[in-house]
Amino acid sequence: SQQGEEDPQALSIQEGENATMNCSYKTSINNLQWYRQNSGRGLVHLILIRSNEREKHSGRLRVTLDTSKKSSSLLITASRAADTASYFCATGGATYNNNDMRFGAGTRLTVKP
Amino acid sequence: EAGVAQSPRYKIIEKRQSVAFWCNPISGHATLYWYQQILGQGPKLLIQFQNNGVVDDSQLPKDRFSAERLKGVDSTLKIQPAKLEDSAVYLCASSIGGPALTEAFFGQGTRLTVV
Repeated sequence: SQQGEEDPQALSIQEGENATMNCSYKTSINNLQWYRQNSGRGLVHLILIRSNEREKHSGRLRVTLDTSKKSSSLLITASRAADTASYFCATGGATYNNNDMRFGAGTRLTVKP
Repeated sequence: EAGVAQSPRYKIIEKRQSVAFWCNPISGHATLYWYQQILGQGPKLLIQFQNNGVVDDSQLPKDRFSAERLKGVDSTLKIQPAKLEDSAVYLCASSIGGPALTEAFFGQGTRLTVV
């Protein structure tokens, strides 16, 4: 079964604006990842955050994790047209299997030039 | 380093036929995943291997799907017989594995169309 649920399903912004996507999940996790998928391509890893971490940064990306609310957010600052893609959260470690990854339905981001 | 290789890239078959997909993970990666991604949805985990052993196949429709990982390296996913609802992209991914999760690397996928 899917674990995470992204919100919103679709997001359209102008270049230079910030984009925020949210992920909610149901069971306890050990880690959460964010991936990007360009149309017709494979998924590309963006960032991994572990359950004992609250925030991580990577370039223009900022990820937060609130385990008490079972939610995470991905913020992309100063967006570019090249950021247009689908973004997925993947939760892991809900069971004894620390290497599992279960994806949500994703957020489709469109950045207009 | 070379990425995850998948073949074929595209496959069109008639329902009730059989099909097989192949995946060559990144060298040294112990964990291998197969996902099914239906258009407009997120990837659904079908099966996860650790070396050549199955860790999780709870969502694999075992009446028609099978998978194996030869000598803990390459893997094949088979569908027999195929149904119309099997039309999807089948993604293979690999990661180093170990006690703590690390990032996974995905192949380009195989797009299957069942007519």
